[in-house]
Amino acid sequence: EVQLVQSGAEVKKPGESLKISCKGSGYSFNSYWIGWVRQMPGKGLEWMGIIYPGDSDTRYSPSFQGQVTISADKSINTAYLQWNSLKASDTAMYYCARHLRAVPYDYWGQGTRVTVSS
Amino acid sequence: QSALTQPASVSGSPGQSITISCTGTSSDVGTYNYVSWYQQHPGKAPKLMIYGVSNRPSGVSNRFSGSKSDNTASLTISGLQTEDEADYYCISYTSSTNWVFGGGTKLTVL
Repeated sequence: EVQLVQSGAEVKKPGESLKISCKGSGYSFNSYWIGWVRQMPGKGLEWMGIIYPGDSDTRYSPSFQGQVTISADKSINTAYLQWNSLKASDTAMYYCARHLRAVPYDYWGQGTRVTVSS
Repeated sequence: QSALTQPASVSGSPGQSITISCTGTSSDVGTYNYVSWYQQHPGKAPKLMIYGVSNRPSGVSNRFSGSKSDNTASLTISGLQTEDEADYYCISYTSSTNWVFGGGTKLTVL
């Protein structure tokens, strides 16, 4: 069974750093892209970027380029989304999802809620 | 890259059919057959309903169908059921920024 399990909810202060994770199982982790999607409270889905764990090829949405870092450790089937300096506007639910261009985002993680507040 | 354009809301009665549109440009929906649709119930992760414009993943009801004409993709739900009430999002591959979501449509089943 394909599963993506994300790390738990986080509460942080502005300026702090954060790295959330997404662990895949039940499939060949290195052979599928992993995408990250933001959903701000009461808002729609926003595509942030994707990574191919097999060779760490990474693509970012222009809206998120330079704001976050996407990485992966294929040895432990885990992808990451990282911030160096959080802002209140980063408060959102973040989803990871398995991805192929032909069948985009077919399996999703349960989401990680990030709250940034002073 | 602006989000694909979807109606903010649609509604229908049980048993009826509804269609949700997703309008893009020649850089995304108009050129690529990589349009997918997702259903999201409150507090839940999105679920893939249609991929490649008109393909249904295993387990998705055949009441859901997709199509495309020029720069607009459409999701049709026939025989509406109360459990179809949810938010629906389209996504398309785009030559400029890889992927872009629609703004989302809230479906109300009256």
